[in-house]
Amino acid sequence: GDSVTQMEGPVTLSEEAFLTINCTYTATGYPSLFWYVQYPGEGLQLLLKATKADDKGSNKGFEATYRKETTSFHLEKGSVQVSDSAVYFCALSVDNFNKFYFGSGTKLNVKP
Amino acid sequence: DTGVSQNPRHKITKRGQNVTFRCDPISEHNRLYWYRQTLGQGPEFLTYFQNEAQLEKSRLLSDRFSAERPKGSFSTLEIQRTEQGDSAMYLCASSAGQGSSPLHFGNGTRLTVT
Repeated sequence: GDSVTQMEGPVTLSEEAFLTINCTYTATGYPSLFWYVQYPGEGLQLLLKATKADDKGSNKGFEATYRKETTSFHLEKGSVQVSDSAVYFCALSVDNFNKFYFGSGTKLNVKP
Repeated sequence: DTGVSQNPRHKITKRGQNVTFRCDPISEHNRLYWYRQTLGQGPEFLTYFQNEAQLEKSRLLSDRFSAERPKGSFSTLEIQRTEQGDSAMYLCASSAGQGSSPLHFGNGTRLTVT
């Protein structure tokens, strides 16, 4: 079935460090891929998306590239800030956006 | 775009009681989704609507759960005879349902069953 697997957390980094959060997927068709972020006490917010192979989604300094050959959509940021501390969810959608599947989330702690 | 609104934010109830949550989606969005999220986990799909039609329900949605979207606008999720295992965050999301439309989430309703 369709599913998303992402690296377990928590991930603890110092401010200005490089961030990578791994995400791999399994899908029967051609999914669209997303990263969502959840700040404490808030709902999930879309961070970035990519709808076809080799697309790169980017927002707020975060980037992720849709890699069909490795079925991956890893999230990266060159220099994290304390304000980036949150839980990050990788997700995919299939079936013309009727269904969305989420990973279990990766908590990021950024220390000053 | 006023965002997806959910009420109440928190609900504490005793086991066996019924509870109802409300979701107001973004006004022009025709798709509405309910998800459940437990601590340390990602959102799990419960059900979704295209306009007023409920098109799919997860097997997670037992007979005690019912959702409606009577006029294709707001939606309600009711849980009857609540159990402690129902304690979770219930998330509502909406989307435009076309192209590469992502989900837009509300802040959720946290249910605690004592």
